Amino acid sequence: DAKTTQPNSMESNEEEPVHLPCNHSTISGTDYIHWYRQLPSQGPEYVIHGLTSNVNNRMASLAIAEDRKSSTLILHRATLRDAAVYYCILRAPTLLIWGAGTKLIIKP
Amino acid sequence: KAGVTQTPRYLIKTRGQQVTLSCSPISGHRSVSWYQQTPGQGLQFLFEYFSETQRNKGNFPGRFSGRQFSNSRSEMNVSTLELGDSALYLCASSLGRGVRMSYEQYFGPGTRLTVT
Repeated sequence: DAKTTQPNSMESNEEEPVHLPCNHSTISGTDYIHWYRQLPSQGPEYVIHGLTSNVNNRMASLAIAEDRKSSTLILHRATLRDAAVYYCILRAPTLLIWGAGTKLIIKP
Repeated sequence: KAGVTQTPRYLIKTRGQQVTLSCSPISGHRSVSWYQQTPGQGLQFLFEYFSETQRNKGNFPGRFSGRQFSNSRSEMNVSTLELGDSALYLCASSLGRGVRMSYEQYFGPGTRLTVT
């Protein structure tokens, strides 16, 4: 089963861009790359997803490597409300596999 | 539009008992997935239902079961509860049309189950 690898935690200053990396070297051609985040005491929240091309939405941007073995979630201007655990997930035809996620700490 | 609702929010059961958790998806969503979240194992996929049929299943014992009704509401059942079943159980809904795997999921607040 395809898995993802993320750093356990990252720190960033408020109002600066944040780049959250994810490795998924065993990704298959039909796996979508999804990102979710979970704020304390809440259920996960959808952030963005993509297949091959880079994607942008109002929350973030997703940069996908050409070989699709890694991706980066970009928060253009982090705020204190962005402090959460960020999960990179491969949505394959048969299973959704969640890693441990990256705890993002925002310093004021 | 109302979000995903889960009932009850908190539950305390004793070992050996069984429990049923309920999930109401966002109106119009036909796919419902269930997850177990524990501090040690993180988020683990239980199963996914679409149009009353189980579409995918995670690696959990047969004590964990679920179903989906014609109005897309879903229930999951855990029989013969064990201490290790203590966890946050999350439900998520998505449009899930056909077999496309690209749709985002919307999560409910979860049911906190404590087994004593």
